[in-house]
Amino acid sequence: GAVVSQHPSRVICKSGTSVKIECRSLDFQATTMFWYRQFPKKSLMLMATSNEGSKATYEQGVEKDKFLINHASLTLSTLTVTSAHPEDSSFYICSARETQGVGGSPLHFGNGTRLTVT
Amino acid sequence: SQQGEEDPQALSIQEGENATMNCSYKTSINNLQWYRQNSGRGLVHLILIRSNEREKHSGRLRVTLDTSKKSSSLLITASRAADTASYFCATHPSGSARQLTFGSGTQLTVLP
Repeated sequence: GAVVSQHPSRVICKSGTSVKIECRSLDFQATTMFWYRQFPKKSLMLMATSNEGSKATYEQGVEKDKFLINHASLTLSTLTVTSAHPEDSSFYICSARETQGVGGSPLHFGNGTRLTVT
Repeated sequence: SQQGEEDPQALSIQEGENATMNCSYKTSINNLQWYRQNSGRGLVHLILIRSNEREKHSGRLRVTLDTSKKSSSLLITASRAADTASYFCATHPSGSARQLTFGSGTQLTVLP
């Protein structure tokens, strides 16, 4: 089955620093990848849709200058949390849909990144 | 915006029993999907049911969809301790290219 690899799984950083999270589709091409944020015992909140070769589409209320997304290839999208603050501490999860998949087709998820900002 | 709401929020059962989780949504959909999430991990797709389907099976999973009531249920039969996880429904709205919207999830605990 389709595999999405997300790295790192855990990261602790100091307030004011930046953290980059990678999301790779290992055995399929993904024109579109999605970045979610999940609070404890809560649902996934879609942050942005990452489009290969073009600018990401951010959901309302998500600061695009704080959460930089780059989708430089059909298999890699990165999320950079810039100038991290303790309130950015959360569980970030990426997902991807195979290129031939249409909107609403199943998503393949990475295992998430636990970010802790001290 | 549309949102799936799972019910109950938490469910605890004994191994071997059946577990039923419900999902309600607000607008018309193309399909509804169920995902599973183990603690601290990503989500795994379980099953997709289209708006013109009423019931679907996959192994020990049975999903129903009632579009008139805008609701779905996920039944796990003969539960195992390994089924302990959070289960989320996700809806794909009809008539648009909008992405999946996830519900708040049901935390299932299966006691050995």
